[in-house]
Amino acid sequence: DVKVTQSSRYLVKRTGEKVFLECVQDMDHENMFWYRQDPGLGLRLIYFSYDVKMKEKGDIPEGYSVSREKKERFSLILESASTNQTSMYLCASSPPGLYEQYFGPGTRLTVT
Amino acid sequence: EDQVTQSPEALRLQEGESSSLNCSYTVSGLRGLFWYRQDPGKGPEFLFTLYSAGEEKEKERLKATLTKKESFLHITAPKPEDSATYLCAVQATNSGYALNFGKGTSLLVTP
Repeated sequence: DVKVTQSSRYLVKRTGEKVFLECVQDMDHENMFWYRQDPGLGLRLIYFSYDVKMKEKGDIPEGYSVSREKKERFSLILESASTNQTSMYLCASSPPGLYEQYFGPGTRLTVT
Repeated sequence: EDQVTQSPEALRLQEGESSSLNCSYTVSGLRGLFWYRQDPGKGPEFLFTLYSAGEEKEKERLKATLTKKESFLHITAPKPEDSATYLCAVQATNSGYALNFGKGTSLLVTP
C-alpha cells in the first residue's frame, strides 16, 4: 500500500511565524505535490516537484516556498504565516509512469 | 482554460437508492480523469482513473464511466458507509502532472 505521511494533523501558529509542513512517502515516487483545500474553493495546487531539488509553481504559490532535498521528503514552508493561510494542507505523490496521485491525511493549519 | 464542474453539490439518498454523480469537463487534451473519495477531515482516497471515452471502471458499488465531455460515478444500492465527498479531477496533456479538481459532490446515505 502507498503510504504518504504528514508531520502534523493539527497545527496552530501565530501571524508572522515561519511554518514548516513536512510530507514523506515510502514508495519511491518521483512526483510530489502540495495542495490547500478550502470550503467552496476545492483543492488548489501550491507547488509540485518532479525530482530532488526540482520544483514548479502551481496555481497559488504566493506566500509559500518548498524544499525537496531527498526523494521521499517534500516540505512546504510558509515564510511569514498570515491568517488567510488558515487551511487544510494536503500532500500527494504519484509513481513514475502513472498519473493518479495518492494523498496524505492532511494538516489542518490555523493561523491566529 | 481547463474547467471541471461537478453536480449536484450535495445529494441525499436512502440506503439502496441508486443514483449518479456528474463531472463535466473542458480540457484542451485529456490525459486522464480521476475519481476520489474524501471523508471529513481526511485526505482524498484514490478510486479510479479513466483515460478514454467509452472506458468504464468498477469497484464494489461504484462504477465510473467516461465520455468526451463528462464522467459519471454510478452508485448502486448505496449503504451509509458510502457517505463521503466524491471528487473528480482531470489531467491535461499540456499540464505536466498537475490535477485540476472539481469542488466535489457531498453524498449522504441514510439508513
